[in-house]
Amino acid sequence: ETGVTQSPTHLIKTRGQQVTLRCSSQSGHNTVSWYQQALGQGPQFIFQYYREEENGRGNFPPRFSGLQFPNYSSELNVNALELDDSALYLCASSLYGGRGEKLFFGSGTQLSVL
Amino acid sequence: DAKTTQPPSMDCAEGRAANLPCNHSTISGNEYVYWYRQIHSQGPQYIIHGLKNNETNEMASLIITEDRKSSTLILPHATLRDTAVYYCIVRVGLNNDMRFGAGTRLTVKP
Repeated sequence: ETGVTQSPTHLIKTRGQQVTLRCSSQSGHNTVSWYQQALGQGPQFIFQYYREEENGRGNFPPRFSGLQFPNYSSELNVNALELDDSALYLCASSLYGGRGEKLFFGSGTQLSVL
Repeated sequence: DAKTTQPPSMDCAEGRAANLPCNHSTISGNEYVYWYRQIHSQGPQYIIHGLKNNETNEMASLIITEDRKSSTLILPHATLRDTAVYYCIVRVGLNNDMRFGAGTRLTVKP
């Protein structure tokens, strides 16, 4: 148990729709990172939020956006869903403090786009 | 694109040490090496990380070569519950851009 919770656990959407995924970080952590994991592959970094601002982004289009709230919880929003967006979406929280940070992952949200 | 190379799979006998290798020949001087593992349908679990020196914690030991181009994760007494995909990762930059590769699928056998 990492203390990082994600909701919902599973979600089914159709192409073109929009989706919001939620993450509650571990107590004491101030940074949230989001990852996408396609079937059979390792997770890919989407972006990171610190102090309610995005401060790092991977190779994902602008239709992937996020928010971080004052209590450090976070949302991932994906607009105009495509079939390739079907994946496990992982949230990880950490305490921002340089290169030695440890990430604590939630169990993820399994998104299926039909 | 991952900065690490790992064997796709390994087997280990229960109770024996599991030694998982990783190559990271393009690592920069200030980039950390992290190890995580992922058991089916769960999020990755942090194991250990290091920069230059060998590290040990309650889960594992990390041996980093002097030139930092490779490392080995050691699980001293593998159990069936250690069966998982193990990721060796180099953290790029100051944010949590962790470049996961395909990992090593470790199977611990009775």
